[in-house]
Amino acid sequence: GAGVSQSPSNKVTEKGKDVELRCDPISGHTALYWYRQSLGQGLEFLIYFQGNSAPDKSGLPSDRFSAERTGGSVSTLTIQRTQQEDSAVYLCASSPRVLLGEQYFGPGTRLTVT
Amino acid sequence: AQSVTQLDSQVPVFEEAPVELRCNYSSSVSVYLFWYVQYPNQGLQLLLKYLSGSTLVKGINGFEAEFNKSQTSFHLRKPSVHISDTAEYFCAVTDLNSGGSNYKLTFGKGTLLTVNP
Repeated sequence: GAGVSQSPSNKVTEKGKDVELRCDPISGHTALYWYRQSLGQGLEFLIYFQGNSAPDKSGLPSDRFSAERTGGSVSTLTIQRTQQEDSAVYLCASSPRVLLGEQYFGPGTRLTVT
Repeated sequence: AQSVTQLDSQVPVFEEAPVELRCNYSSSVSVYLFWYVQYPNQGLQLLLKYLSGSTLVKGINGFEAEFNKSQTSFHLRKPSVHISDTAEYFCAVTDLNSGGSNYKLTFGKGTLLTVNP
């Protein structure tokens, strides 16, 4: 079946511009996660959605970052007034259940801020 | 708070050689442990996981890992690697008692395994 998809695959933007990154999770997965992957830094947790519960936003690095999940499916990560340090690969993952760490990852969006 | 240390950022090996990728974690409580693999230009995929029971867990593609509670380690091994195993490998941990937040995976910084002919 279809896996997690993300768009765009690559995004180059100028410093100060806003960007939106999209994630389509696997159908039926109730949990959705966003991570940021910077070179040599591993994966940094950003935000987590589970069903209709309030999202856990504790990993968002600043108030320029926000995310929403509409209808319990598609999610959008928005970065306002982008900075060069925002350049990274943004990974989305979904899971059929909260526990046990079985997350299914998308291919990521590579964001470059010039 | 928990943390994961992958001791080697890069591991070059020759094809058909054995390999061990090291992972140590710190946590004050019981944990679940995972290894994920990321092939070039792809997302991560689960290689194997330790939840409970036998400390030796087997995963896909001939990989296995052993949970050692006393050494707080979860090293990944394969007896004979192939060129197709070239990828980045991430160790991850989730805390069983983090106030219900055990959906959060804490990842190590990754180990790049390069298999040469």
